[in-house]
Amino acid sequence: GAVVSQHPSRVICKSGTSVKIECRSLDFQATTMFWYRQFPKQSLMLMATSNEGSKATYEQGVEKDKFLINHASLTLSTLTVTSAHPEDSSFYICSARSLAGGRETQYFGPGTRLLVL
Amino acid sequence: QQQVKQSPQSLIVQKGGIPIINCAYENTAFDYFPWYQQFPGKGPALLIAIRPDVSEKKEGRFTISFNKSAKQFSLHIMDSQPGDSATYFCAAAGTGKLIFGQGTTLQVKP
Repeated sequence: GAVVSQHPSRVICKSGTSVKIECRSLDFQATTMFWYRQFPKQSLMLMATSNEGSKATYEQGVEKDKFLINHASLTLSTLTVTSAHPEDSSFYICSARSLAGGRETQYFGPGTRLLVL
Repeated sequence: QQQVKQSPQSLIVQKGGIPIINCAYENTAFDYFPWYQQFPGKGPALLIAIRPDVSEKKEGRFTISFNKSAKQFSLHIMDSQPGDSATYFCAAAGTGKLIFGQGTTLQVKP
């Protein structure tokens, strides 16, 4: 399957700082990427849809000014958690949509563990 | 109508057993049904996926059964192994966005 990477894999920061997470599709181009967060022993919750060259679409209840998404190229989307607080501590996972062979498939990155102290 | 309901929440089987995980959906616009496997601290990995034009799909030891009229689909793992112990998520999509089930934690005992 296609490969999606995330960086960093783990980050610890102080409350009030901003953290940037990168999501890259390594062997395919993705006009659309998605950002999820996952709390322990829970399912994935979609935060936003990231579209290359346009503004992200946020799910209801997700603060767009707090979770800034940029999709500047067909292989890179970034999520910036601004003014992070302890309640933002979570596992953040991105996925990239592949349309290879006329079939739509989503491939997930390995996730980024964020801990806000 | 956007929900995907998954059961059971957890499952324990002996090695060689055939665990079955079930999912149900409401939205008839969904046309893509993938299953993902997730190990602790890792991102979900695509296992197998099915579209509504077929009722069954096999890939290795993994089989999806799909019942369009009942709006249900299930994952069967043949000859399960301890290495299959993980959390499994079903999902459904109709407009690109995946809607995930609640997850099933599977433990395969040696």
